[in-house]
Amino acid sequence: AQSVTQPDIHITVSEGASLELRCNYSYGATPYLFWYVQSPGQGLQLLLKYFSGDTLVQGIKGFEAEFKRSQSSFNLRKPSVHWSDAAEYFCAVGGGSEKLVFGKGTKLTVNP
Amino acid sequence: GAVVSQHPSRVICKSGTSVKIECRSLDFQATTMFWYRQFPKQSLMLMATSNEGSKATYEQGVEKDKFLINHASLTLSTLTVTSAHPEDSSFYICSAREDRVRNEQFFGPGTRLTVL
Repeated sequence: AQSVTQPDIHITVSEGASLELRCNYSYGATPYLFWYVQSPGQGLQLLLKYFSGDTLVQGIKGFEAEFKRSQSSFNLRKPSVHWSDAAEYFCAVGGGSEKLVFGKGTKLTVNP
Repeated sequence: GAVVSQHPSRVICKSGTSVKIECRSLDFQATTMFWYRQFPKQSLMLMATSNEGSKATYEQGVEKDKFLINHASLTLSTLTVTSAHPEDSSFYICSAREDRVRNEQFFGPGTRLTVL
């Protein structure tokens, strides 16, 4: 069965610092991978996605993620965090004709 | 493009009443829509997959008679929480999959249900 692990429940960074959010997945075939961001009381906004091809994908708001098949990882990165990036981040696997499975999420706090 | 709306955004009801939540794809056709439930500070859990013109497929542990799903058109799916109780209070989010882009789901803004 497919599954997603986000090891970090809560991460705090200073504004302007770099960020990496970890995501590991378990999937039987080539996965479709997604990162979503959720502000309090809001729905999910897609940051980026990986289906195939270049393993480094660029997303919105300056985010990028790298697919590493050997490590079953799809970590999200941003070189310089802004205060507005504070939110909950979810990694998900699946898509296509299959359902999406979400990780438990990582809450990002940004200190001024 | 690919906008999904939900109505209402927030609803408060008394225990024992039924509540209907609408999910609409505004600018695309969605043969398949999904309903998720999110408890506070937790992840999204898929409740059911809704296919236009056919019965919904429910995930294990989700009561079909409790959470009625209707997908009557290519742009509208509804979730009705029947005889709601306080434990049904949650954040309900729908998503829709565009037929031409089958690998991606577009999410609605969510509906906060509070059952008193």
